[in-house]
Amino acid sequence: AQSVSQHNHHVILSEAASLELGCNYSYGGTVNLFWYVQYPGQHLQLLLKYFSGDPLVKGIKGFEAEFIKSKFSFNLRKPSVQWSDTAEYFCAADPTSGTYKYIFGTGTRLKVLA
Amino acid sequence: DAGVIQSPRHEVTEMGQEVTLRCKPISGHNSLFWYRQTMMRGLELLIYFNNNVPIDDSGMPEDRFSAKMPNASFSTLKIQPSEPRDSAVYFCASRDTSTDTQYFGPGTRLTVL
Repeated sequence: AQSVSQHNHHVILSEAASLELGCNYSYGGTVNLFWYVQYPGQHLQLLLKYFSGDPLVKGIKGFEAEFIKSKFSFNLRKPSVQWSDTAEYFCAADPTSGTYKYIFGTGTRLKVLA
Repeated sequence: DAGVIQSPRHEVTEMGQEVTLRCKPISGHNSLFWYRQTMMRGLELLIYFNNNVPIDDSGMPEDRFSAKMPNASFSTLKIQPSEPRDSAVYFCASRDTSTDTQYFGPGTRLTVL
């Protein structure tokens, strides 16, 4: 079955630390990939997305993600986190099979200590 | 653009009552999705529509849940009768066909007492 795995459920970092959140998907065909962020009490907002082309994509707020096809991975990174990055981060895959529905990971809760 | 609009933002009701959640997608978006988010189960897709037609309702928990999309600008999710375990945040999202991207509404926080 198609799935998206986020292995880190909870991450705690100090401000200015570097961040990398893992995301792996299980689908052999063409896939669009997304990272969404959900700040406390808010809705999901799009951080960045990858459809094709340069495997390193840059999003808002200094986030970037790298698509590695051979590893079925789409990890999210930020060189230096801020307290305001405290949120839950969701990876999602769209298998582009015409079903239109995303497969979401279970999310990673990031807490940044000031 | 106002984004995806959901109402009400908060709903508190008693067990057994009917609950109706509403969603207005972004104009021009052809697909609409209803999700439920809880601490225990995370984010779950309940149902989605394409061009107002329900495509996949396999995520709807049981017959107490129903969803409609009478036109391109409005959808409802109804729970009848409601139960305490239905307490959750319900999100609506619409999909921009030109960019294959879903945009989420602010959610409805439902509490069933």
